[in-house]
Amino acid sequence: ETGVTQTPRHLVMGMTNKKSLKCEQHLGHNAMYWYKQSAKKPLELMFVYSLEERVENNSVPSRFSPECPNSSHLFLHLHTLQPEDSALYLCASRQGWNGFNEQFFGPGTRLTVL
Amino acid sequence: AQSVTQPDIHITVSEGASLELRCNYSYGATPYLFWYVQSPGQGLQLLLKYFSGDTLVQGIKGFEAEFKRSQSSFNLRKPSVHWSDAAEYFCAVADNNNDMRFGAGTRLTVKP
Repeated sequence: ETGVTQTPRHLVMGMTNKKSLKCEQHLGHNAMYWYKQSAKKPLELMFVYSLEERVENNSVPSRFSPECPNSSHLFLHLHTLQPEDSALYLCASRQGWNGFNEQFFGPGTRLTVL
Repeated sequence: AQSVTQPDIHITVSEGASLELRCNYSYGATPYLFWYVQSPGQGLQLLLKYFSGDTLVQGIKGFEAEFKRSQSSFNLRKPSVHWSDAAEYFCAVADNNNDMRFGAGTRLTVKP
């Protein structure tokens, strides 16, 4: 595997379910990100991890819980979601803290909350 | 904080025609500027980026962008569009605090 991978690619869950999204990067980067992409809205940054420490949490509801066990893996734990949480969830990684280093994105997980 | 505006939500061009996608940014200092492309069902792929130097930047897939400080713009161009260029295009601006902001995107449709 190369680049940034995300599993599952598609997920359908009920409002009372608990599920997790997984992201893995094979690029040796030290920063990882979760974004939410909803139709007709700009990309929303949810969480940023640098060297496995959370450095940003953009007022995301507590029903989303991130976990970064090491610099290659990032999880997003989901529980008691709402239908408006249905979206494409994108993971990205980046090397270093220089603003010029671009983020590399995974293919996303398409989440549908019933 | 910086912000990005992509004025065109949807653009349709004929195959072989030229393309220009607009991007305007708001940022006090010299920004880091990026263009990404997203094909259906895929993540974002970097086309090109700019921070300093030559204001005309070449990217992948035949794309280029020009930084114009006086207009706070970073428009993306391609001389001749191919059907495979149909996708969503995102402009982004970042600062040294690791804060990257994306525009709302422009969807490109290519007519045969």
